[in-house]
Amino acid sequence: EAGVTQFPSHSVIEKGQTVTLRCDPISGHDNLYWYRRVMGKEIKFLLHFVKESKQDESGMPNNRFLAERTGGTYSTLKVQPAELEDSGVYFCASSQAGNQPQHFGDGTRLSIL
Amino acid sequence: QKEVEQNSGPLSVPEGAIASLNCTYSDRGSQSFFWYRQYSGKSPELIMSIYSNGDKEDGRFTAQLNKASQYVSLLIRDSQPSDSATYLCAVNLSRGGNNRLAFGKGNQVVVIP
Repeated sequence: EAGVTQFPSHSVIEKGQTVTLRCDPISGHDNLYWYRRVMGKEIKFLLHFVKESKQDESGMPNNRFLAERTGGTYSTLKVQPAELEDSGVYFCASSQAGNQPQHFGDGTRLSIL
Repeated sequence: QKEVEQNSGPLSVPEGAIASLNCTYSDRGSQSFFWYRQYSGKSPELIMSIYSNGDKEDGRFTAQLNKASQYVSLLIRDSQPSDSATYLCAVNLSRGGNNRLAFGKGNQVVVIP
């Protein structure tokens, strides 16, 4: 069984540009989560999809971040325009049911110059 | 007060010894608790989940939960060099159907051959 896959593994962009991160959850997992770890801090929750619906987006930092999960399969997280403080590692996780353990991808390391 | 705290600094243990990691959490309503292991540049990998008070053993790992004290711990017996990694404590903050994980900053474990 393939795990959670994320693309790209690393992205370097300039401040003001747009970046889109992609996450493919484990097949059959309805629940998809985005998390972020900025330098020196703990991993923080961003949002939670159940199928194509946003169940909880309380962790999204501001309206420069847009997450979608059309069709309830893969998800994208777009940052537009990127700011310096957006640098960090963005993790995606999925679970079969909401209260089941979450399985993580390797993350996308985002560097804003 | 942080949602999840892992206060210990890097932990060095000789090969074959027991590594002990501790974690406290603030939300008394939390029901699900997890330990993840993360190698540098890789995904957090689930190694233990625990849901009720007491001990849970899986191979060389033992998780301990005390909800009254809001305390979770992880013991690694017969530590091996391959156990050298960062260990993350995570608590599922399940409220109103929403499920998100709150993480501690992690403890780095170094097993010395």
